[in-house]
Amino acid sequence: IAGITQAPTSQILAAGRRMTLRCTQDMRHNAMYWYRQDLGLGLRLIHYSNTAGTTGKGEVPDGYSVSRANTDDFPLTLASAVPSQTSVYFCASRPTGSSGELFFGEGSRLTVL
Amino acid sequence: AQSVTQLGSHVSVSEGALVLLRCNYSSSVPPYLFWYVQYPNQGLQLLLKYTTGATLVKGINGFEAEFKKSETSFHLTKPSAHMSDAAEYFCAVSDHAGNNRKLIWGLGTSLAVNP
Repeated sequence: IAGITQAPTSQILAAGRRMTLRCTQDMRHNAMYWYRQDLGLGLRLIHYSNTAGTTGKGEVPDGYSVSRANTDDFPLTLASAVPSQTSVYFCASRPTGSSGELFFGEGSRLTVL
Repeated sequence: AQSVTQLGSHVSVSEGALVLLRCNYSSSVPPYLFWYVQYPNQGLQLLLKYTTGATLVKGINGFEAEFKKSETSFHLTKPSAHMSDAAEYFCAVSDHAGNNRKLIWGLGTSLAVNP
């Protein structure tokens, strides 16, 4: 089934550890996004990529990095995790030329202790 | 700058009752507007969208929304709630500046449906 695959679905991580959340899409969408979802704060954009080879910062980029080596993959890395990064992370993609609608993965629940 | 306000973080209705979820936006350009639904432990999925043309748009699962420019609103409705409609609903407006289109999100409304 075409769509977005995120891994892991859930992870408990010790503070200070490095963690990479994986995101892969098979829809050949150019634009991809990483959001975090926190109770009462809605969805906040962390980083985005309009096309392979380019990335940009969203609202809350500090402590996170991304890369976009190809169209399909858009990993999100926490270099040194902190408890405030405990959240549910969603990867999304947007079809080229669309009016803005996004396709979402199922999310990765991360707990930093 | 664009913004989205969803009135009411929690809405509770009885099964079979009208569902009304409110969304107001601000935008300096003609907006593209969206409603997304998130079922428990799942990602978001598009419910419906308004871009241009007919101001009443129909989406999946019997939902519809009406774009009212004079009221800067895009409220979501469903005539008769079903238990399966219990979910989180997000309104969003597209910052459609060229190719760099990002969505501006409301904080969401949690819909509970009581038997």
